Amino acid sequence: AQKITQTQPGMFVQEKEAVTLDCTYDTSDQSYGLFWYKQPSSGEMIFLIYQGSYDEQNATEGRYSLNFQKARKSANLVISASQLGDSAMYFCAMRGSKTSYDKVIFGPGTSLSVIP
Amino acid sequence: DAGITQSPRHKVTETGTPVTLRCHQTENHRYMYWYRQDPGHGLRLIHYSYGVKDTDKGEVSDGYSVSRSKTEDFLLTLESATSSQTSVYFCAISESGGQSDTEAFFGQGTRLTVV
Repeated sequence: AQKITQTQPGMFVQEKEAVTLDCTYDTSDQSYGLFWYKQPSSGEMIFLIYQGSYDEQNATEGRYSLNFQKARKSANLVISASQLGDSAMYFCAMRGSKTSYDKVIFGPGTSLSVIP
Repeated sequence: DAGITQSPRHKVTETGTPVTLRCHQTENHRYMYWYRQDPGHGLRLIHYSYGVKDTDKGEVSDGYSVSRSKTEDFLLTLESATSSQTSVYFCAISESGGQSDTEAFFGQGTRLTVV
């Protein structure tokens, strides 16, 4: 069965510093995709970044990068130069294929607070 | 913004009554998902659909049923609502599955309270 683990319920980071949010996953699929979403206090889900299991390069999107270590089954999100507006819940998600029939499952989330 | 609408946005219902939540999309995306969000659990998949009349169970499907009779609508029914089903419900849509880099787009959420 697929599973996503986020072991940091809450994190604090100083403004302008970098922060890493951890995500580990478990799947028996050979082909899968990994996503990160942000949920601010307003409640909407905002897509941040995607990494495919066969992608050899780590994904980057502006200040967001994904540290993908396939052998360790980890897909950590790195936010560089944190801003006050980065304070939110962050969710790691995975979409599998074949055995999991394209389900998209989420981890429990990490609450990030950016301190001025 | 992806064309995805959930209705109602808020609902209060009594224990034991049936409740139906609607997710409507204008994107013609193949995949549709229903999640519930509870503190400490993140988003948990209830049911999902990979085509018209093609649905499957997620992690927390007990007490819920779904139907998808046309591409644009995905209905979630709580057959007999219980207080444990008080939650925020999110619908999501996705054009592709597998390793495709197309993300899932989310609706605004429905806050359901069962009293």
